[in-house]
Amino acid sequence: DTGVSQDPRHKITKRGQNVTFRCDPISEHNRLYWYRQTLGQGPEFLTYFQNEAQLEKSRLLSDRFSAERPKGSFSTLEIQRTEQGDSAMYLCASSLEVGTGTEAFFGQGTRLTVV
Amino acid sequence: LAKTTQPISMDSYEGQEVNITCSHNNIATNDYITWYQQFPSQGPRFIIQGYKTKVTNEVASLFIPADRKSSTLSLPRVSLSDTAVYYCLVGPYNQGGKLIFGQGTELSVKP
Repeated sequence: DTGVSQDPRHKITKRGQNVTFRCDPISEHNRLYWYRQTLGQGPEFLTYFQNEAQLEKSRLLSDRFSAERPKGSFSTLEIQRTEQGDSAMYLCASSLEVGTGTEAFFGQGTRLTVV
Repeated sequence: LAKTTQPISMDSYEGQEVNITCSHNNIATNDYITWYQQFPSQGPRFIIQGYKTKVTNEVASLFIPADRKSSTLSLPRVSLSDTAVYYCLVGPYNQGGKLIFGQGTELSVKP
């Protein structure tokens, strides 16, 4: 399978714990995006990378959130001191830099439940 | 980015054609219209994109009137597996995956 892969698919954590999610994009895609989606809402943009550079962060990305893409391949999203409001589906997507319009390829997401 | 408005939900039956209309009154000259589909517990999937008139692919057709203030996604002969949420997005062609999703239209196809 050469699509976008996310790990884990599900994560249950206690409030106050740190969690880290991983995303492996389509190999030739140099852009990688993170989104958050709560029940009944569309995905909300959090941040994106072009290669290893983090080019934009949404105001939704509080100081407790950090994302990295150290070698321009896979990416990690860490949430520190989780809160119940962090419970959501975290989606990763990737795309080519140019030439593909707005076609992004999404992974299946990591569903986080904070108890 | 231009805001979009679409119905929250629609019902249909297998074999029918479904048309979902999206309003985007403030669309900019360089904005394209893109539709994504999302099944439960999966990430969204690109369906179709267009700038004006009509675009057709193996999955759907996209109709865009001359003023571009609205667009209609047409799904021919839907099946149960087309039950999903459909999102209309508007933005520059080169924005890649930096997308602004609205609430989408939840389509329910019944037997």
